[in-house]
Amino acid sequence: RKEVEQDPGPFNVPEGATVAFNCTYSNSASQSFFWYRQDCRKEPKLLMSVYSSGNEDGRFTAQLNRASQYISLLIRDSKLSDSATYLCVVNGGSQGNLIFGKGTKLSVKP
Amino acid sequence: GAVVSQHPSRVICKSGTSVKIECRSLDFQATTMFWYRQFPKQSLMLMATSNEGSKATYEQGVEKDKFLINHASLTLSTLTVTSAHPEDSSFYICSAIYDGLAGPTSYNEQFFGPGTRLTVL
Repeated sequence: RKEVEQDPGPFNVPEGATVAFNCTYSNSASQSFFWYRQDCRKEPKLLMSVYSSGNEDGRFTAQLNRASQYISLLIRDSKLSDSATYLCVVNGGSQGNLIFGKGTKLSVKP
Repeated sequence: GAVVSQHPSRVICKSGTSVKIECRSLDFQATTMFWYRQFPKQSLMLMATSNEGSKATYEQGVEKDKFLINHASLTLSTLTVTSAHPEDSSFYICSAIYDGLAGPTSYNEQFFGPGTRLTVL
């Protein structure tokens, strides 16, 4: 089992759609969880951290289920500018390295 | 604040040559930096953890003699790809942990450099 697994995608949606990304992780000892966004040929950028209680930032909502080792990201009212690859990320070892999922590409069409 | 730069942004070299990539934290100190590699349509894979003043820790399968890492100061880590081959062509990204945040056992936010695209002919 891969350490971090995501929907293979790609997701092609119209503007205004709601999109859900799913992710599972294998290490039950993981403590920190994130969603990153990566644009084509660019470095990843932190979108939001994911907390056990769930958290929301504008149109973006992240959820964590520790029992199922499952993380989700919901984007509401998607915009053209949301087109990117979304990476599910989990902390790795004690030095703080990150383990990245393969990413799910999202294309929002007009 | 918390800007990480990488140089060069793009490099094309002949097979057999060595290439040095620099990673700098511009406005903060970083005891720990990470080097990742990303092949097309693949996830970022950690290559090594670079600690200032000590030897780097390499991930399994990464040759330490081929990928030389030097972290001589709190703001600079370098990755040298020695005797590069076409299969080393990839997107190399570094990240740095801001020293000013919580302790070593908890997560400190990582700041990523813009990446270096290496093409070996």
